[in-house]
Amino acid sequence: NAGVTQTPKFRVLKTGQSMTLLCAQDMNHEYMYWYRQDPGMGLRLIHYSVGEGTTAKGEVPDGYNVSRLKKQNFLLGLESAAPSQTSVYFCASIEDSHGELFFGEGSRLTVL
Amino acid sequence: AQTVTQSQPEMSVQEAETVTLSCTYDTSESDYYLFWYKQPPSRQMILVIRQEAYKQQNATENRFSVNFQKAAKSFSLKISDSQLGDAAMYFCAYYGQNFVFGPGTRLSVLP
Repeated sequence: NAGVTQTPKFRVLKTGQSMTLLCAQDMNHEYMYWYRQDPGMGLRLIHYSVGEGTTAKGEVPDGYNVSRLKKQNFLLGLESAAPSQTSVYFCASIEDSHGELFFGEGSRLTVL
Repeated sequence: AQTVTQSQPEMSVQEAETVTLSCTYDTSESDYYLFWYKQPPSRQMILVIRQEAYKQQNATENRFSVNFQKAAKSFSLKISDSQLGDAAMYFCAYYGQNFVFGPGTRLSVLP
């Protein structure tokens, strides 16, 4: 039972480079989320999706884009990475609007 | 907008003793859920306990229990008989329309 899987787990980028983080869940969940975790700030919501083909902005969406072309996948893109985007990124999903939040293992991104 | 506050950045407890982590939140919603998540050094986020706001009875999961005070908007976590494996970051989270997380409390367990 894979649950929520994030790839890659680690990545180092240079300023201005682009990359995509992939989140895949095998639990048929409707809702999916991307968070970033920074020291002393908890988890902050970047973007989320309430179903296939839908996306919405969270608390800190600037500099990121997302897509949900398939129900099981939620992609987070950085078009032009900046050092301020150095963080640990978590993907999560829930089966409905009041269920438990299932997390991926996190992806550590460093932008030099 | 909803906010979640954890006023204790760090806490420590002696092994086998009891510790309480504080959490307060601010919301105008009447229907919501509250959670405590644990994040050990492995970075994995693990659900510890969950409380539905409409339930007056405090949730309990083995050595973990909460003190939910809806009127005061307080949701503290009590860990009894603390074990070395309880050492982790603990996040309080609110869920109404979206999840909102507190900044976390780092718990150390002293042998």
